[in-house]
Amino acid sequence: DAKTTQPPSMDCAEGRAANLPCNHSTISGNEYVYWYRQIHSQGPQYIIHGLKNNETNEMASLIITEDRKSSTLILPHATLRDTAVYYCIVLRTGANNLFFGTGTRLTVIP
Amino acid sequence: GAVVSQHPSRVICKSGTSVKIECRSLDFQATTMFWYRQFPKQSLMLMATSNEGSKATYEQGVEKDKFLINHASLTLSTLTVTSAHPEDSSFYICSAWTGGGQPQHFGDGTRLSIL
Repeated sequence: DAKTTQPPSMDCAEGRAANLPCNHSTISGNEYVYWYRQIHSQGPQYIIHGLKNNETNEMASLIITEDRKSSTLILPHATLRDTAVYYCIVLRTGANNLFFGTGTRLTVIP
Repeated sequence: GAVVSQHPSRVICKSGTSVKIECRSLDFQATTMFWYRQFPKQSLMLMATSNEGSKATYEQGVEKDKFLINHASLTLSTLTVTSAHPEDSSFYICSAWTGGGQPQHFGDGTRLSIL
């Protein structure tokens, strides 16, 4: 499965959009991009996933570039409860071996 | 939907004790359940994968006789840390998966402290 690269940390003002980037330049055609987050002392929470089209759900939007080599997770109106470590994971269809790298520590500032 | 319940949330016990952690998928049936471990300031590391009715598959470096996994039904998996020692103190997290392109859903973790 393709490796991902994320910035180690980001800050975002409360109420603003948080845009979290992820590079996955070696992604293959059958690999999905998954996003999870882990709030301190809790288990990871699934956020969203996509293959090549942009996706949106009640939590976030996922924008995948046309060449699929990078993606951005967008939290449209960040709140203090969105402070967490966000993980971008690339995984092929039907595979289950999630590899949690170091992720991006997002801090939402009041 | 997709709720995974993990119990207990915290355990403190003496060295040499065996500790059982339960992981239940409450509103779906999971073909596969996973057990992870997370040490302070580190990321999650997969320990083992279990499918209902079969033996678990352990990752390299994880002792199968120390970390006993039972997956008796499509909604329940248990991890037993046998003869726990202080170095086994960690945050243990389970997840459940229905297969295909579906995401894994995680429990809230169990913080194990061995004195």
